[in-house]
Amino acid sequence: DAGITQSPRHKVTETGTPVTLRCHQTENHRYMYWYRQDPGHGLRLIHYSYGVKDTDKGEVSDGYSVSRSKTEDFLLTLESATSSQTSVYFCAISESTGSTDTQYFGPGTRLTVL
Amino acid sequence: GQQLNQSPQSMFIQEGEDVSMNCTSSSIFNTWLWYKQDPGEGPVLLIALYKAGELTSNGRLTAQFGITRKDSFLNISASIPSDVGIYFCAGRHNAGNMLTFGGGTRLMVKP
Repeated sequence: DAGITQSPRHKVTETGTPVTLRCHQTENHRYMYWYRQDPGHGLRLIHYSYGVKDTDKGEVSDGYSVSRSKTEDFLLTLESATSSQTSVYFCAISESTGSTDTQYFGPGTRLTVL
Repeated sequence: GQQLNQSPQSMFIQEGEDVSMNCTSSSIFNTWLWYKQDPGEGPVLLIALYKAGELTSNGRLTAQFGITRKDSFLNISASIPSDVGIYFCAGRHNAGNMLTFGGGTRLMVKP
């Protein structure tokens, strides 16, 4: 298994509160990704990082921000959580975005916004 | 955003039966990946395909990269209860592009 951990694994919070999810990898991979998974939508990319302090938006980035101060850690922040952000969040890593590269996923964080 | 149409959305089969699922796109992909997600876990890579027409097996699983580059299928032979889960296809247009995921096929196996 790829060395990817996510914390917390479960969180319940209230609308309007800030939330930060953490992804930690031990593989020294350059690329890190945050996805959300919702019924009927599969996995949708929120943000990704291609190096320390280098990040870019994905398909569903509104309401989310990210930071990567170290190679091994990628943080996802919901500045003011809304009920529409209730979802399961997955972190993924890859060595590159080359044509033969693949992504490896963490175990996920289930977030409920009341 | 780019859409991958994955079908069927769900399947309920008897143990021992063969299973087939597929993904189609309106545009060309140069890489196709198939993942499996067990309940409460993250997706795990099953098979990766890099060439049009490529047919690759992983145990009881076989996947093919369509000749048109717009589709891929995954077959599971002689299903067993541990095959239960959600199967996702994912495609990449070119190196440097992000992956696009299908909506998933939920497989249920009756012992």
